[in-house]
Amino acid sequence: EVVLTQSPATLSLSPGERATLSCRASQSISSYLAWYQQKPGQAPSLLIYDASKRATGIPARFSGSGSGTDFTLTISSLEPEDFAVYYCQQRSIWPQTFGQGTRLEI
Amino acid sequence: EVQLVQSGGGLVQPGGSLRLSCVASGFSIGGYWMSWVRQAPGKGLEWVANIKQDGSEKYYVDSVKGRFTISRDNAKNSLFLQMNSLRAGDTAVYYCATSFSGYGSDWGQGTLVTVSS
Repeated sequence: EVVLTQSPATLSLSPGERATLSCRASQSISSYLAWYQQKPGQAPSLLIYDASKRATGIPARFSGSGSGTDFTLTISSLEPEDFAVYYCQQRSIWPQTFGQGTRLEI
Repeated sequence: EVQLVQSGGGLVQPGGSLRLSCVASGFSIGGYWMSWVRQAPGKGLEWVANIKQDGSEKYYVDSVKGRFTISRDNAKNSLFLQMNSLRAGDTAVYYCATSFSGYGSDWGQGTLVTVSS
């Protein structure tokens, strides 16, 4: 099973600042990584897939990068609605696995 | 509008069974792999099962193999998860999702399954 380790566990920032979230895989997963946003009481929402491709309707302030074992989600300028929990997920090897999440808080 | 509407959760005793349903509208599930993902209270996400478009391939996480069965009825635009021999560790919100290239692109609203005596 591929273990995904996200850091930091919690990130405290202010609107307008830049956020950088990391996800490290226990083995190479090529570019088969996605990022999701989850707000309290809601289902996850797909932001980025295949490491760097934005899902439909996702604003350009969200970007993803990386390949192999190290991946990054960057939010260039935080909006109030961006404060949520973010998960990475790999689909390279079954079972598909998620990281433990990064809480982005004000 | 693409929508996945779930039903079937609730409280069940250890060893009991439940069947979750997920009905799609706004698109045909017949063109997609479909998935179930769960989230224990206050915890992260866990991918539970996948099923191919025609139902010919199914994959399960080890912790549910032999106890859970994923199925689909494309004519009724519906996805199911039959859960048997439930354990306390299965307590979670269960989400159905459209699997787009192995990623969850559209999600149901979630349904809570509580396993407790």
